[in-house]
Amino acid sequence: GDSVTQMEGPVTLSEEAFLTINCTYTATGYPSLFWYVQYPGEGLQLLLKATKADDKGSNKGFEATYRKETTSFHLEKGSVQVSDSAVYFCALSRSANQAGTALIFGKGTTLSVSS
Amino acid sequence: GAVVSQHPSWVICKSGTSVKIECRSLDFQATTMFWYRQFPKQSLMLMATSNEGSKATYEQGVEKDKFLINHASLTLSTLTVTSAHPEDSSFYICSAFDRLGNYGYTFGSGTRLTVV
Repeated sequence: GDSVTQMEGPVTLSEEAFLTINCTYTATGYPSLFWYVQYPGEGLQLLLKATKADDKGSNKGFEATYRKETTSFHLEKGSVQVSDSAVYFCALSRSANQAGTALIFGKGTTLSVSS
Repeated sequence: GAVVSQHPSWVICKSGTSVKIECRSLDFQATTMFWYRQFPKQSLMLMATSNEGSKATYEQGVEKDKFLINHASLTLSTLTVTSAHPEDSSFYICSAFDRLGNYGYTFGSGTRLTVV
């Protein structure tokens, strides 16, 4: 079945360091891919998304490119801030052509940024 | 943007009692509502999917008689944990998908349930 695999955390960085969180997926068809962020005690917020191969999603300095050839959607940021400390989830929709199908999540990666 | 209001944000209940969690979509119609459960430091596990006016579809291993889901309108879905036990303690999150697909998946802020 469809699945998402994220790099294990926690990831600990100093402020202004470069961030990469790896995400690969297994899916039939052509899924949409997402990154969500969860701050302590809160729900999930959409960070960025991409709906087809070679699309690049970006938001708040974060970027991820939909790579169909490597089935990956790695999250990157050039210079992290303390406020970026959170848990990041990679997710896919089971099928972009089936609106309203559930998202499948990776296990999440905890990012801790120190000043 | 779209907002899903989830209440309560936290609740403590005694074993054997029932707890109802509400999710309301504000300013958009939630054709489909997903209910997830999240254990500490773990991912979100899909519990069930409900479409407005239809019975919910439960994932394998989720007891439908224990986790009652109602989606009677396009703006309201509820999850009732019946006869709660300590092992039901968890973080429950709803996610609404709007009819027109304009807002995609919008998540509630979650409910921390503690059963004592």
